This record gives sequence, C-alpha cells and structure tokens, in this order.
Amino acid sequence: SAVISQKPSRDICQRGTSLTIQCQVDSQVTMMFWYRQQPGQSLTLIATANQGSEATYESGFVIDKFPISRPNLTFSTLTVSNMSPEDSSIYLCSVLRALAGETQYFGPGTRLLVL
Amino acid sequence: AQTVTQSQPEMSVQEAETVTLSCTYDTSESDYYLFWYKQPPSRQMILVIRQEAYKQQNATENRFSVNFQKAAKSFSLKISDSQLGDAAMYFCAYRPLNTDKLIFGTGTRLQVFP
Repeated sequence: SAVISQKPSRDICQRGTSLTIQCQVDSQVTMMFWYRQQPGQSLTLIATANQGSEATYESGFVIDKFPISRPNLTFSTLTVSNMSPEDSSIYLCSVLRALAGETQYFGPGTRLLVL
Repeated sequence: AQTVTQSQPEMSVQEAETVTLSCTYDTSESDYYLFWYKQPPSRQMILVIRQEAYKQQNATENRFSVNFQKAAKSFSLKISDSQLGDAAMYFCAYRPLNTDKLIFGTGTRLQVFP
C-alpha cells in the first residue's frame, strides 16, 4: 500500500473564502483522485488529477469551483473556491499504482466546515 | 448506469459473533473489480478485501471473507469473530476494467457490542 498524507486534516472556514488541500504520497503513483464525502453520505468522485495537464472532472463538478493541480507523480492539490456551507464535507484523495494491482488507497481525509 | 446498493444502513453484532453485510450491483460488464472498504470514526478509508470478477473463488483476508455471486450480482462481506475494532462504516465499491473510477454504495454502519 501507499502512505498518503493530507493537509490540513481539518479546517473551519468562512463563507466566500477558498481553501487548498494538499495530498502527498510516499512514492510515485499512476493516478490520483479527489473525492467528496458529504455528511452521512457516500463518496463521490470529484475529478482525476492528471500529471502535467488539466484534471478530468466528473459531472456536476467544475474547474472554477474545484481547481486541481498535479505538478508531479507524488503530489496534488484541490482548492475549494468561494466556499458556502454546502461545501462542508470530508475531502479525500486516493491513489492508484499500476504495479500494485487495481486497488485505490485513500488518504486520511480533510474535514471542512464552512460557516 | 452502473450502481452499487447496500440495503442495510445499520447493522449490529455481538463481539465474537459473525455478521454479514450485503451489497448488490448493477452492470453489463463481464469483467470488473469489487471492493469492501472500512471507514472508522477516524475517517481513514481502509481496504478490507477485493475480488476480481473473473475469479470464481471467494476472496478471504483473515476474519473477512466474501460471498461473490456473479450471476446474482451480489457481493456480501462476512466478518467472523467480530471485534470492537470492527465498528465502522463499510462501503462496497465497484470498478469496471475500462476505467479507474470507483463507484461506491451508500455504506453500512456496523456496531459491535461487547
């Protein structure tokens, strides 16, 4: 498995501000993903973070709201822009390493509360 | 559309007993992967077990085993000798071969009583 860290682990933010979440992996990975888990809900894929190019967003998620960067094979950021209380969720990154088979491993998550 | 259904929002089990969590999925694919993830209160998603659809043998990991019924599109998780540390949300997930995306069920909250 991969060792994945996320920063911050939690934050409380004011409406209208932005927060950038970092995801760091201890080794190179093929794919990196960002998920949202709203309170009491399951995980929903936001986007696939592509190294050196624009992220691939799922239906209902747009780059202006959730800009994503992936400058190299071990690091990605997700920004939650112009936040509203509806953005209060856990945000998780996950990774997929081709040599490790087809299992996605998850980071510890970032708990975000927007007031 | 590919969907994953977990019909049990909550389950409970006595310590040392056995519990089975159900999961069904809908797909027209013949090859795919199935997973069970555990999310304790710490919110870390932990892989419990995975199954490749082309394998007829049910996957087993220590106290955790699955009952994979491909024709019925059913993928249940059996936890034997339940421990207090097994208390968590359990998510069933599906992944077709032609994509890297996981499709999650709505989860089952498992409580373990001493």
